[in-house]
Amino acid sequence: GESVGLHLPTLSVQEGDNSIINCAYSNSASDYFIWYKQESGKGPQFIIDIRSNMDKRQGQRVTVLLNKTVKHLSLQIAATQPGDSAVYFCAERKGGGADGLTFGKGTHLIIQP
Amino acid sequence: GAVVSQHPSRVICKSGTSVKIECRSLDFQATTMFWYRQFPKQSLMLMATSNEGSKATYEQGVEKDKFLINHASLTLSTLTVTSAHPEDSSFYICSASRPSGGFLYNEQFFGPGTRLTVL
Repeated sequence: GESVGLHLPTLSVQEGDNSIINCAYSNSASDYFIWYKQESGKGPQFIIDIRSNMDKRQGQRVTVLLNKTVKHLSLQIAATQPGDSAVYFCAERKGGGADGLTFGKGTHLIIQP
Repeated sequence: GAVVSQHPSRVICKSGTSVKIECRSLDFQATTMFWYRQFPKQSLMLMATSNEGSKATYEQGVEKDKFLINHASLTLSTLTVTSAHPEDSSFYICSASRPSGGFLYNEQFFGPGTRLTVL
């Protein structure tokens, strides 16, 4: 079936460096994507979202890029901090409105001092 | 911000017993609530979609008679794991959807999760 997946299960970066987390999706009909951060033993925390009619969206220290041609999504975190250590998931809205989410496999981001 | 709570946060039960997990939206009325399951070091998998006053919609492969969902009000949904077995041990997470006020995509707010361990 169609799914949302991630390229790298673990990413280790130096504190202060920028990090990029990638995600591939296969459902070309997907029109809304979200990045979540999950700390151990907690629920997902919203980071940033993007609609399919956009190719870039920026937040505080985070940027999401969407390439519909190759069905690729990325999350860029600038000037990483120890508190950024977590598992990051991309998620895809199954349909419009109130439909549930399809999550990718997750990338564990490790910030080294 | 919108807050979603879950109770209990952790539960340990014996095999064959039933366990109820509550999901509440504390400061908004949720049009829809969702239940997800997450096994260790894996992603979240949608189990079912719950609307107040109507039957839940279950994802393929999820047994509706085993995972009973009751959406009693716009702020409360419950998930009951019936006749629990060790393979049901998992992290159960709910989310609540808040009306977007005209925006196409209703934002989902996640609860903190419930860790279920079946002995």
